Amino acid sequence: SQQGEEDPQALSIQEGENATMNCSYKTSINNLQWYRQNSGRGLVHLILIRSNEREKHSGRLRVTLDTSKKSSSLLITASRAADTASYFCATDASGGSNYKLTFGKGTLLTVNP
Amino acid sequence: DAGVIQSPRHEVTEMGQEVTLRCKPISGHDYLFWYRQTMMRGLELLIYFNNNVPIDDSGMPEDRFSAKMPNASFSTLKIQPSEPRDSAVYFCASSFRAGGHYEQYFGPGTRLTVT
Repeated sequence: SQQGEEDPQALSIQEGENATMNCSYKTSINNLQWYRQNSGRGLVHLILIRSNEREKHSGRLRVTLDTSKKSSSLLITASRAADTASYFCATDASGGSNYKLTFGKGTLLTVNP
Repeated sequence: DAGVIQSPRHEVTEMGQEVTLRCKPISGHDYLFWYRQTMMRGLELLIYFNNNVPIDDSGMPEDRFSAKMPNASFSTLKIQPSEPRDSAVYFCASSFRAGGHYEQYFGPGTRLTVT
């Protein structure tokens, strides 16, 4: 089964509003990452939060991580039409020399102008 | 830097034909990943390489799929013979793990349609 599951599957908001997306996972992780995918494009890395961190900021992005609940949230403040995209969480549960990410199915965010 | 380069961007082929997808990772990156994305299954990791050596190919769906990385600047994913259910967008990604960086850089993808 998918390691990361985003919620909601789709979100539609007005420009200027905040958007919150959630991610749940099942196993222990080293870090959790969020990626954005514009229609027809590859994924772009947004932010990484390590397992010993609880909150991280980058510009209009705020990520939280609750390892006890195995969940993370991505908050985009003051959204813009250009934020319209799919957002994916990815977990790195690798051990030793292995290194791979497991992606969820994503949240489709639509920001209406 | 040009980023991860994939070719072709679009491929339409008939069932039974061989398909070869190509990837040039970012120079200096030591990890290369091949993913497949479909609406039904999302983004699936097929195989990944570290320093040109395949590390984990457990995501390769079946023997019809094979991947190679003959050198640090080139990788191929081959499907032979192709089937309609292979239709998907295939992404290549690379990362610089040795530098302590965990983020992956994705190419633009190859949209494969098998008729």
